[in-house]
Amino acid sequence: EAGVTQFPSHSVIEKGQTVTLRCDPISGHDNLYWYRRVMGKEIKFLLHFVKESKQDESGMPNNRFLAERTGGTYSTLKVQPAELEDSGVYFCASSQWDTQYFGPGTRLTVL
Amino acid sequence: QQQVKQSPQSLIVQKGGISIINCAYENTAFDYFPWYQQFPGKGPALLIAIRPDVSEKKEGRFTISFNKSAKQFSLHIMDSQPGDSATYFCAARKNYGGATNKLIFGTGTLLAVQP
Repeated sequence: EAGVTQFPSHSVIEKGQTVTLRCDPISGHDNLYWYRRVMGKEIKFLLHFVKESKQDESGMPNNRFLAERTGGTYSTLKVQPAELEDSGVYFCASSQWDTQYFGPGTRLTVL
Repeated sequence: QQQVKQSPQSLIVQKGGISIINCAYENTAFDYFPWYQQFPGKGPALLIAIRPDVSEKKEGRFTISFNKSAKQFSLHIMDSQPGDSATYFCAARKNYGGATNKLIFGTGTLLAVQP
């Protein structure tokens, strides 16, 4: 069974540019989560999809972040325009029950 | 305000020794406490988890000890091996009645097991 995949693995952009991160969850998992870890700090929740619906987006930092989950399958997280403080590792996780399975993350660097 | 506090930030243990990582929480509504292990370049992977109705759970060399009254839980790695060298995260989940299952993480502990 394929795990959670994320693309790209690394992204380096300049302040003001746009970046789109993609997550493919484990097939059949209704729940999809986005998290972010800023260097040395805790992994912080961003939002939670159940199928294509946003269940909880309380962790989204501001309206520069837009998440979508097309047809309840893969999800994208767009940052527009990117700021320096958006740098970090963005993790996607999926679950059907209790256990959340994490992808390898996308390391975003904003210069 | 950090809801789950984790210590130490880093830990060096000799091969065969016991590694102990501690976490404390404030919110009594938390009902599920997993530990995740992360190797460089990989995502966090569930190692072991416990619910507050038990005080200890053991899986192989890994044990969670849970103290509900003190609102603390810890991970013990017995007979630590160099292959255990990784970053460990504790986490907690609040019971929202099924509305959401977001995890609240500690800051992580970088464990190095020396041969």
